Amino acid sequence: QTVVTQEPSFSVSPGGTVTLTCGLSSGSVSTNYYPSWYQQTPGQAPRTLIYSTNTRSSGVPDRFSGSILGNKAALTITGAQADDESDYYCVLYMGSGIWVFGGGTKLTVL
Amino acid sequence: QVQLQESGPGLVKPSETLSLTCAVSGYSISSGHYWGWIRQPPGKGLEWIGSIYHSGSTYYNPSLKSRVTISVDMSKNQFSMKLSFVTAADTAVYYCARAKGYSYGFYFDYWGQGTLVTVSS
Repeated sequence: QTVVTQEPSFSVSPGGTVTLTCGLSSGSVSTNYYPSWYQQTPGQAPRTLIYSTNTRSSGVPDRFSGSILGNKAALTITGAQADDESDYYCVLYMGSGIWVFGGGTKLTVL
Repeated sequence: QVQLQESGPGLVKPSETLSLTCAVSGYSISSGHYWGWIRQPPGKGLEWIGSIYHSGSTYYNPSLKSRVTISVDMSKNQFSMKLSFVTAADTAVYYCARAKGYSYGFYFDYWGQGTLVTVSS
């Protein structure tokens, strides 16, 4: 079964830059997987940040950006703020109506 | 503005069937896109359960496929999920969501607020 891998946790200093990644247990992530990224704070529904690898959802600040880095999808936060402290999930579209979520990355801003 | 709202029992007994409904407002399901269910066990990550396309085609997580059925009621503009033979491992917050398709990038753009379902006797 396909496993989407993410760093379990990451920390960044306020104002700093952090890149979270999204990989596959076997194979490389490409734009053909239409990687999307979601932010979730405790008790809240996920919020869509990025879709189709690098398109920001409406209202998402431009400090969030998506890309492909090597064989993984990546979410970069430039100029991290305190309220960026959240869980971040990557989702890949596997084709044939199937989506797979990554395990999520808990980002700490301190 | 598209809005989704989950409803259903908050407590289900082991071995029984969990049934949830997602009411959609601000958009007609028959107009397009995928309509799906995602769950999150307490303290854990998100898991895609399955989706139904506006045409009625269904798609399921292989790990849950034998127990899940997703259906749509166009007349009420809502879609539903049934998960059979539940165990404590099915205790989770269940979200419904709209997913955009090929022309838009295959991503979830609108989410319900989520509903907690506990499996316990």
